[in-house]
Amino acid sequence: GAVVSQHPSWVICKSGTSVKIECRSLDFQATTMFWYRQFPKQSLMLMATSNEGSKATYEQGVEKDKFLINHASLTLSTLTVTSAHPEDSSFYICSAREGLIAADTQYFGPGTRLTVL
Amino acid sequence: AQSVAQPEDQVNVAEGNPLTVKCTYSVSGNPYLFWYVQYPNRGLQFLLKYITGDNLVKGSYGFEAEFNKSQTSFHLKKPSALVSDSALYFCAVRDKGGGFKTIFGAGTRLFVKA
Repeated sequence: GAVVSQHPSWVICKSGTSVKIECRSLDFQATTMFWYRQFPKQSLMLMATSNEGSKATYEQGVEKDKFLINHASLTLSTLTVTSAHPEDSSFYICSAREGLIAADTQYFGPGTRLTVL
Repeated sequence: AQSVAQPEDQVNVAEGNPLTVKCTYSVSGNPYLFWYVQYPNRGLQFLLKYITGDNLVKGSYGFEAEFNKSQTSFHLKKPSALVSDSALYFCAVRDKGGGFKTIFGAGTRLFVKA
């Protein structure tokens, strides 16, 4: 099956610093990539959707200036948490789709655990 | 509006017994339905999906799910549970006519006891 990787798998940073998380589709070209946030014992919350070469579409309530998304190529998307604060600590998961039809499967990365001190 | 309900926070089953994880959905049109599994500190792994056709869908690791349109359900099943099946399971729905927006259920934690 399709493989999506994320790096780093975990990161600890100081409050006020920025953290970049990379998401790569390893064996397919992703038409669209998605970024989710998952709180302990909760479901996934979609943060934004990005297409290669265009601006990301953010869900209501997600701060665009805080969570910067860059979809540089068909295999790479990055999420940068700017000026991170402890409340940004969470599990961030990226996802990618290969095709262009509604029935396409989303494939998920292994997630990144962010802890802001 | 689309929604997914997983009525059980947790399901406990003995190894070797059949397991069922329940999912009901609501969409305005026809649904695409998905099951994913998540192991601790990992992303979601795709198990199976229903698009059209046969109501019984077979997926990875011996799992299957049955689409029931009249009951708007898509329960996940496995004939014989393994301890290694213990994980968090998510049901998801997408409206065929609603683009690619996917709604995930709250998740059901499955415990399989040896």
